[in-house]
Amino acid sequence: GQQLNQSPQSMFIQEGEDVSMNCTSSSIFNTWLWYKQDPGEGPVLLIALYKAGELTSNGRLTAQFGITRKDSFLNISASIPSDVGIYFCAGYLTGTASKLTFGTGTRLQVTL
Amino acid sequence: SQTIHQWPATLVQPVGSPLSLECTVEGTSNPNLYWYRQAAGRGLQLLFYSIGIDQISSEVPQNLSASRPQDRQFILSSKKLLLSDSGFYLCAWSVRAGVDQPQHFGDGTRLSIL
Repeated sequence: GQQLNQSPQSMFIQEGEDVSMNCTSSSIFNTWLWYKQDPGEGPVLLIALYKAGELTSNGRLTAQFGITRKDSFLNISASIPSDVGIYFCAGYLTGTASKLTFGTGTRLQVTL
Repeated sequence: SQTIHQWPATLVQPVGSPLSLECTVEGTSNPNLYWYRQAAGRGLQLLFYSIGIDQISSEVPQNLSASRPQDRQFILSSKKLLLSDSGFYLCAWSVRAGVDQPQHFGDGTRLSIL
């Protein structure tokens, strides 16, 4: 099935640093969603994007819906230890109502 | 506010035994409901989704089935578990109205098959 290419696969950064990750696809998406998953728990919605070019913030998190509708990025500013986890992008492809396509995830580790 | 509950949180079952995982949603009506499986360190694979009572769509041919006997209840079942059924099972819901609504996940069930 359709895949979302998410990069990087993992990141090991120091507390206070900014983080950037992105998702790309060869297909057009109507909606982009960013989730964070802590070990042993379900993914939690961080940001939802609905329009090409949309830039949305949630605290230290900022995400953008690419102009081409084929990509999205997530930035985390001034990372803290509780930012550790796996971040997934997800999106609804045109014509696939109710079926989310997920990225492969970015594992973030933060050191003091 | 809306909440989603999954149980059990952890389950260890022998090969060949039956399975029943339950998911309920509170605080909303007529939700879309979903079952996903997540292999260790991997992304989420959609197994089933439902837009209403007794309306189930299967995404992947497999040893599992799903049922929705009530509006806010979604059940994942198997008559005979296989080793390959091990994994982390997640239930999710979304608002049915409109299109492309975000999905909200439960805390998952860790299933180990021995």
